[in-house]
Amino acid sequence: DAKTTQPTSMDCAEGRAANLPCNHSTISGNEYVYWYRQIHSQGPQYIIHGLKNNETNEMASLIITEDRKSSTLILPHATLRDTAVYYCIVRPDNNDMRFGAGTRLTVKP
Amino acid sequence: DGGITQSPKYLFRKEGQNVTLSCEQNLNHDAMYWYRQDPGQGLRLIYYSQIVNDFQKGDIAEGYSVSREKKESFPLTVTSAQKNPTAFYLCASRPQGRADTQYFGPGTRLTVL
Repeated sequence: DAKTTQPTSMDCAEGRAANLPCNHSTISGNEYVYWYRQIHSQGPQYIIHGLKNNETNEMASLIITEDRKSSTLILPHATLRDTAVYYCIVRPDNNDMRFGAGTRLTVKP
Repeated sequence: DGGITQSPKYLFRKEGQNVTLSCEQNLNHDAMYWYRQDPGQGLRLIYYSQIVNDFQKGDIAEGYSVSREKKESFPLTVTSAQKNPTAFYLCASRPQGRADTQYFGPGTRLTVL
């Protein structure tokens, strides 16, 4: 699996957009970008995934650069309940997940 | 309700004892996974199974064993050979043939005294 690099931690003000970056410069053409989050002592929760095009769902938006070497997860209006560790993962379709240390996002009032 | 269940939430064992963690899913998913998480760390893959009666080692399989006799069940045994068994253990499942999410259980926190 391609290695990903994420900042260790980030802060965001409540109500503002949270933009979480991820670098994956060695990504292969058939590897998807996935985002999960994990609230303390719970199982990770799927957020969104994409291959080349930008994606949006009810939770977040995923922006993938044209060269696919980096991506950004956007939480448009962060709430206190969005405080969690966010994991960026790249993998080929139907292969197994490898989780790194992720970014610890703290949403502050 | 559909989902993945892991029980118990907290488990305590004495050093040198084997312990089995349960994972059950009623989502009719083919693939199931076991991960270990240490404080402040990401998840590390222990074992996974793509189909009944078949499983493969992940990155840190030493000291662990699994079985997959039924589609809905994937128990993990932490043996006495595992040097540092105290950790948070997470089970996940995924439907075969789909590119999207793994679904995770609530986890079991194992403490070996």
